[in-house]
Amino acid sequence: RKEVEQDPGPFNVPEGATVAFNCTYSNSASQSFFWYRQDCRKEPKLLMSVYSSGNEDGRFTAQLNRASQYISLLIRDSKLSDSATYLCVVASGGYQKVTFGTGTKLQVIP
Amino acid sequence: EAQVTQNPRYLITVTGKKLTVTCSQNMNHEYMSWYRQDPGLGLRQIYYSMNVEVTDKGDVPEGYKVSRKEKRNFPLILESPSPNQTSLYFCASSLYSGSELGEQYFGPGTRLTVT
Repeated sequence: RKEVEQDPGPFNVPEGATVAFNCTYSNSASQSFFWYRQDCRKEPKLLMSVYSSGNEDGRFTAQLNRASQYISLLIRDSKLSDSATYLCVVASGGYQKVTFGTGTKLQVIP
Repeated sequence: EAQVTQNPRYLITVTGKKLTVTCSQNMNHEYMSWYRQDPGLGLRQIYYSMNVEVTDKGDVPEGYKVSRKEKRNFPLILESPSPNQTSLYFCASSLYSGSELGEQYFGPGTRLTVT
């Protein structure tokens, strides 16, 4: 089983749609959780950190379920500019070893 | 400007010729890390460092070396590169609070081809 698993997609959605991505992780001792965005082999950039209480940033909502070991990302009112690959990231252990999921590709269609 | 710089950005080399990819950050971050990205495999951590003189292996350390003699620099060394190390490499840095990792800031990437 991979340490961090994501559906690779692609998710093709029309502008204005709501889309949800899930990610599961295998290490129950994981401590830090993130969603990053990567555009076409450029450097990844932080979209948002993920907390157990859930957090929202504009059209984006992230949730962490420690009991089930999954992380979710919800994007509302999709824009063309949201087209990218979304990476689920988990950090574990005292020295914070980082594991990336392979990414979920989103294509927002006009 | 807060940034992570990597050099070179592009490199074509031959098997066995030692090379170093430099990484430098100006944000006084404790945590630094190297990743490689390959199609279908995503980003995989090579080595990471919690602070000066503290480094640890990631998921794919074979064939690589690192050093952290200064807080701002974290070079990646390939002593004897092989074609399977052809990849896109990213360096990143982050604050570390002692219990949680902060946002990672990535360099622009180094595209390495080993023939």
